[in-house]
Amino acid sequence: GAGVSQSPSNKVTEKGKDVELRCDPISGHTALYWYRQSLGQGLEFLIYFQGNSAPDKSGLPSDRFSAERTGGSVSTLTIQRTQQEDSAVYLCASSLVYGELFFGEGSRLTVL
Amino acid sequence: AQKVTQAQTEISVVEKEDVTLDCVYETRDTTYYLFWYKQPPSGELVFLIRRNSFDEQNEISGRYSWNFQKSTSSFNFTITASQVVDSAVYFCALSESVRPGYALNFGKGTSLLVTP
Repeated sequence: GAGVSQSPSNKVTEKGKDVELRCDPISGHTALYWYRQSLGQGLEFLIYFQGNSAPDKSGLPSDRFSAERTGGSVSTLTIQRTQQEDSAVYLCASSLVYGELFFGEGSRLTVL
Repeated sequence: AQKVTQAQTEISVVEKEDVTLDCVYETRDTTYYLFWYKQPPSGELVFLIRRNSFDEQNEISGRYSWNFQKSTSSFNFTITASQVVDSAVYFCALSESVRPGYALNFGKGTSLLVTP
């Protein structure tokens, strides 16, 4: 498709389970970002990938969170041993190196 | 510390009214970028505008206009003759990197409701 694609759009899981969220960026965009949107915290930066450089993980809230980007394209955000406070909408965005961010529609995670 | 403050949490106007969304930012950098994004009910953040810190010219795009004032650290957004389709959450954001989209600091958003 033409835009950033995220899956699943909705995920309900039980506390303690691991979840994986996927992002397929716009073709040709070298930069990829993950943000988290929650009621209490607004929009928070999580992680940034640029080409083959080491990712900037400075926004990840704990070591339960990790992300990878394979082949410079698709990215997976993994949350291990989910907690209720992880419930949020996880937004992925991509851009050219110096370009505007284009966001996906997000993956809504609910941890019971 | 909050780098971007959107003091208005919710605004409700009647169609055709003008409405201004406030954004105040805080940074010590001389090079930075400011953004506005719109988030309709579908959830996807839609880019509206980017300004760099060296360009204080106001910008108009159709019914949208932006007023950037470094003296007051503000980057306000005005919608003229509002329409129901303008109903959305609007976010102001700041990037303190030379890469304009990098690590955006978002405000908490202003929810705009335009009623017929």
